[in-house]
Amino acid sequence: EVQLVQSGAEVKQPGESLKVSCQGSGDSFTNYWVGWVRQMPGKGLEWIGLIYFADSGTRYSPSFQGHVTISADKSISTAFLQWSSLRASDTAMYYCASTMNGKTYFDYWGQGTLVTVSS
Amino acid sequence: QSALTQPPSASGSPGQSVTISCTGTSSDVGGYNYVSWYQQHPGKAPKLMIYEVSKRPSGVPDRFSGSKSGNTASLTVSGLQAEDEADYYCSSYAGSNSCPYVFGTGTKVIVL
Repeated sequence: EVQLVQSGAEVKQPGESLKVSCQGSGDSFTNYWVGWVRQMPGKGLEWIGLIYFADSGTRYSPSFQGHVTISADKSISTAFLQWSSLRASDTAMYYCASTMNGKTYFDYWGQGTLVTVSS
Repeated sequence: QSALTQPPSASGSPGQSVTISCTGTSSDVGGYNYVSWYQQHPGKAPKLMIYEVSKRPSGVPDRFSGSKSGNTASLTVSGLQAEDEADYYCSSYAGSNSCPYVFGTGTKVIVL
């Protein structure tokens, strides 16, 4: 069974950079997509984007394109979500989720990483 | 891509049934049989409950069922139990060149 373990909570100031991680275990991730989901305080789930481990191809939601970067390191089965300049509005819980290529649902989820951006 | 529309809340007494709707368009819900449903308890990560409109992953009780008609998908929870009180989100494949998935707005199920 696949397990996704995310990096710990972060507290940052506006304008700072940040990279959070999602490490998979239990299977070879070569044939997997990993997606990132934002959940702002008291709000619903939003897809940020996806990365395909086989070729590091990415797909972003229009709302997040240009503000975040999704990347992956196949050698350590880890996906990343990064910001070059955080805003207060980036304060949220961020989840990673995985699916095998060819599936259209996400059956494995990380525990979430809380990002707080405050001056 | 606009979020799929769900009612903010739904409620039922223990043992009763509750049905949650998820309305999209012909570009997402209506265009593919790729609707999934996720349960989220407070402070927890989402959990897959239904995939491909009506299929249940191993371990999900058969009290949970899914269906679709046109641009609207539905999740029914039969024989409500206290532990079913949670937020429920639908998600659909949208076939876009950008992120190909979209979530619903979420429904809080309240067990009275």
